[in-house]
Amino acid sequence: EVQLVESGGGLVQPGRSLRLSCAASGFTFDDYAMHWVRQAPGKGLEWVSGISWNSGSIGYADSVKGRFTISRDNAKNSLYLQMNSLRAEDTALYYCAKDDSSGQPFQHWGQGTLVTVSS
Amino acid sequence: DIQMTQSPSSLSASVGDRVTITCRASQGIRNDLGWYQQKPGKAPKRLIYAASSLQSGVPSRFSGSGSGTEFTLTISSLQPEDFATYYCLQHNSYPPRGTFGQGTKVEIK
Repeated sequence: EVQLVESGGGLVQPGRSLRLSCAASGFTFDDYAMHWVRQAPGKGLEWVSGISWNSGSIGYADSVKGRFTISRDNAKNSLYLQMNSLRAEDTALYYCAKDDSSGQPFQHWGQGTLVTVSS
Repeated sequence: DIQMTQSPSSLSASVGDRVTITCRASQGIRNDLGWYQQKPGKAPKRLIYAASSLQSGVPSRFSGSGSGTEFTLTISSLQPEDFATYYCLQHNSYPPRGTFGQGTKVEIK
């Protein structure tokens, strides 16, 4: 069974940094592209960043480009999101999500980790 | 950047109704579109991929159609468990990129 478990969320002050992790199990992690998707309280879904299986192709939403860095460690079956210069508008539930074997996105999702940016 | 316009933003319907939700892309996206259902407090669930392929395990009352710039999610006979928010997603693989529609909340009439 595919499992994606996010961690690392919490309360952080504006301008500070936070690193999210997503632990994957139940599938061959290095076969799949992975993504981060967020949802601000009461709002819709927003794609944040994605990374190919070998880290050779990476993309970011304009809203986080230059502040967030996605990475993965295939040996540890883990996905990461380094978030710097955090803003109040980054407050959201952050999900990691996995593509399927055909490259179609977001077949599986974690349950999310909450990031709150506030002074 | 590609923009996705989803409509309506909300709708009220009764059990047994046929429901249609539309997403329009600002430029042609072939069939690089999926549909997702989200219930309160839960992670989204994929219903449709590649515009019209039904995700395994999803009831056949859900269907997707379209190509290019206009796409539709249809629920042929709304069931009580279908009351939720639905999102379309446009995606690219290289580099990875995605754009969600604004969402459609389906409520009980």
